[in-house]
Amino acid sequence: DARVTQTPRHKVTEMGQEVTMRCQPILGHNTVFWYRQTMMQGLELLAYFRNRAPLDDSGMPKDRFSAEMPDATLATLKIQPSEPRDSAVYFCASGFGQANIQYFGAGTRLSVL
Amino acid sequence: DQQVKQNSPSLSVQEGRISILNCDYTNSMFDYFLWYKKYPAEGPTFLISISSIKDKNEDGRFTVFLNKSAKHLSLHIVPSQPGDSAVYFCAARDSNDYKLSFGAGTTVTVRA
Repeated sequence: DARVTQTPRHKVTEMGQEVTMRCQPILGHNTVFWYRQTMMQGLELLAYFRNRAPLDDSGMPKDRFSAEMPDATLATLKIQPSEPRDSAVYFCASGFGQANIQYFGAGTRLSVL
Repeated sequence: DQQVKQNSPSLSVQEGRISILNCDYTNSMFDYFLWYKKYPAEGPTFLISISSIKDKNEDGRFTVFLNKSAKHLSLHIVPSQPGDSAVYFCAARDSNDYKLSFGAGTTVTVRA
């Protein structure tokens, strides 16, 4: 059963700490997306990669967020330093080819105190 | 700037009846539309999609209708079942881009 795997599922941290979220896309998928879900904004796109190259990260606060794909099986989203307003659920999704359909992981619930 | 809008945050329907979820979009470049379903503590799962060259797509109990001139799509669930209780997101994309734009979601509750 192919699925997108995200770790950790839950993260509680203190303001100012670094947070790293990881995503393993479905094997063979070459497009990877990072989304954030908040009560106010719904699902907003933070960044996405195509064949490991970043295509668009305009949705991310550049000063504190960074996204990378060290290899085809791992995508990371890092926040440094974290702030309480970063508290949200972060989803990773992957797709293949034109990526018309994106397949989502279960998400990482982040709480920054 | 919300390009995809779901104006009804919630919908309550009796089991066995039809659920109709609505979605409006503003970007005329959108040519592919999707519905996702989300249960609590899970990621969104793909439900059904439609290309702009069609006006209807059906998959079992789920039918999506597209009205391009009105920039409007709807999802019909017939008959509604308790397991359909979830948040439903409408999404759209321009095939020249890989990004999906999502609506804010509609929470459906199916009453027994």
